[in-house]
Amino acid sequence: QSALTQPRSVSGSPGQSVTISCTGTSSDIGVYTYVSWYRQHPGKAPKLLIYDVTKRPSGVPDRFSGSKSGNTASLTISGLQAEDEADYYCCSYAGSYSVVFGGGTKLTVL
Amino acid sequence: EVQLVDSGGDLVQPGQSLTLSCVVSGFTFRSYWMSWVRQAPGKGLEWVANIKQDGSEKYYVDSVKGRFTISRDNVKNSLYLQMNSLRVEDTAVYYCARGELAFDSWGQGTLVTVSS
Repeated sequence: QSALTQPRSVSGSPGQSVTISCTGTSSDIGVYTYVSWYRQHPGKAPKLLIYDVTKRPSGVPDRFSGSKSGNTASLTISGLQAEDEADYYCCSYAGSYSVVFGGGTKLTVL
Repeated sequence: EVQLVDSGGDLVQPGQSLTLSCVVSGFTFRSYWMSWVRQAPGKGLEWVANIKQDGSEKYYVDSVKGRFTISRDNVKNSLYLQMNSLRVEDTAVYYCARGELAFDSWGQGTLVTVSS
């Protein structure tokens, strides 16, 4: 149950696109299609952005998209907005009814 | 509107016990897997435990196995986390969350501080 690996921080200017990577292993991301992404503003609860690698819950804008290749999943945010400045976490099913989160990535909107 | 309200967090000493509660509304509680996720101060998210709709299956992260017990009351629309033998490293904000593999609704969190 080791944490997934995310970059500590990324940044981008308003209107630009950024991609956050999430690297796991052949025991989690590499073998399952149950990757989800969350955004968390300071002092707030996380919010689901993406589930099942590429699906968006109702109400999440299509600026957010997910993908996966091998043991690495990615979240792309296009058309960056000030409100996107937050911490982002990936999460994957890891077998045996357990899930594992990434360490989190702080997104700064310049 | 889906709502999850966490409560029960407190300051306790190492070795003591505490029970967290999560009361939900706005959806059919008995139809969903439920989970607890925690976040140590300044740290990332960590999945703690989950429970099947009818309570027949429960799973835990290794670090809490044998010390924590997740349970639910589908009549009271409530989720619980009984925490025994608490350690300093259990200090965190604990969130209840709806779901098993992805978490689409979250409580506001309740702070558990374990310190002597």
